[in-house]
Amino acid sequence: EGQLVESGGGLVEPGRSLKLSCAASGFTFSNYVMDWVRQAPKKGLEWVASISTGGGNTYYPDSVKGRFTISRDNAKSTLYLQMNSLRSEDTATYYCAALPYPYWGQGTLVTVSS
Amino acid sequence: DIVMTQAPLSVSVTPGESASISCRSSKSLLHSNGITYVYWYLQKPGKSPQLLIYRMSNLASGVPDRFSGSGSETDFTLKISRVEAEDVGIYYCGQLLENPYTFGAGTKLELK
Repeated sequence: EGQLVESGGGLVEPGRSLKLSCAASGFTFSNYVMDWVRQAPKKGLEWVASISTGGGNTYYPDSVKGRFTISRDNAKSTLYLQMNSLRSEDTATYYCAALPYPYWGQGTLVTVSS
Repeated sequence: DIVMTQAPLSVSVTPGESASISCRSSKSLLHSNGITYVYWYLQKPGKSPQLLIYRMSNLASGVPDRFSGSGSETDFTLKISRVEAEDVGIYYCGQLLENPYTFGAGTKLELK
């Protein structure tokens, strides 16, 4: 059964950077479009980024475009999210997922605060 | 952006009874390939979301057949028959037709 495990969350000051990782196992990672989805405390779900199977195409909503970069290493079955110029409104639990499929990680909490 | 509007925002159900959750999209989610790209997820308390229904009416692996999805191009329904205690949580509809992918605000299901 497929499993996704995120890491890299933590407390960071506004304006700083953080990189999240997501290790996949139990399915052929390279065959799946992958996504990052976040959930602010007590709020709903917000899609943050998608990446094609080969990594050549990436997509972002306006709220993070130009600040966040999604990437993947298919040889390592790992997904990444580089987050720059972080703001307080980026505070959330970040989930790695393959949205059309039943693959979601457990989430990693990112807190942006001074 | 496609707006997904869910109703109600909360529902209280007696165990064994049925429940329905509605979701409306601001644009047709029917692709020219004949697939309707609406998905339903359940987030149980303290857990990650889990996929329940994909492409409007298809049951995800391992999901009880008490759950069913239906709808048209812009109006969708998740029905839960014979609600059980394990069904408690927040239900989200989402559209994966086009970027940016968007979700409804969620419907909280509680037991009476």
